[in-house]
Amino acid sequence: DQQVKQNSPSLSVQEGRISILNCDYTNSMFDYFLWYKKYPAEGPTFLISISSIKDKNEDGRFTVFLNKSAKHLSLHIVPSQPGDSAVYFCAASEESSGDKLTFGTGTRLAVRP
Amino acid sequence: KAGVTQTPRYLIKTRGQQVTLSCSPISGHRSVSWYQQTPGQGLQFLFEYFSETQRNKGNFPGRFSGRQFSNSRSEMNVSTLELGDSALYLCASSPAGNNSPLHFGNGTRLTVT
Repeated sequence: DQQVKQNSPSLSVQEGRISILNCDYTNSMFDYFLWYKKYPAEGPTFLISISSIKDKNEDGRFTVFLNKSAKHLSLHIVPSQPGDSAVYFCAASEESSGDKLTFGTGTRLAVRP
Repeated sequence: KAGVTQTPRYLIKTRGQQVTLSCSPISGHRSVSWYQQTPGQGLQFLFEYFSETQRNKGNFPGRFSGRQFSNSRSEMNVSTLELGDSALYLCASSPAGNNSPLHFGNGTRLTVT
């Protein structure tokens, strides 16, 4: 049972435009959500997180939006840069589960120069 | 600050053998968790250790085990290797293990032949 889903396996965006990556979850006990970026042959790198008590969190070019009623979160990257080309994973956890993260299957973002 | 260090980076083993992977967390981090990444299953949680105690365990067979030492370094062991154990094994650490971002190492690529 895939509790965290990223339905778009890939996304291609023009440099300078907005990239929107989406993620849906089914477990209503999830209360902390994260986005990671992964390059080949490297471990995932933490980008941004959001607690369930918020609906938006910004960090520079990255903004995460959380819609709890829809069990949906999205990552906006503005403006997109070629260096953003990577695989993006969303992940979720429950407060009671420590560092156990449930990951989505990833979305491969390609930013075209 | 040095990041999460995993050794070795690459490993080739034969079916039936056993393997031990090592992880040194970021200095000061007390929680260490392990994940398996495969093309078909994505990132799957294996287990988490905090203060030398296993705090959480994923849905993997008993052939997968781990431990944490008093200096927070961790090892995971896989016995009686199967072809399906071929994967990227990622270690991650965090300061306290609760709603704080995980910092991942670059992983150990295990190939079972």
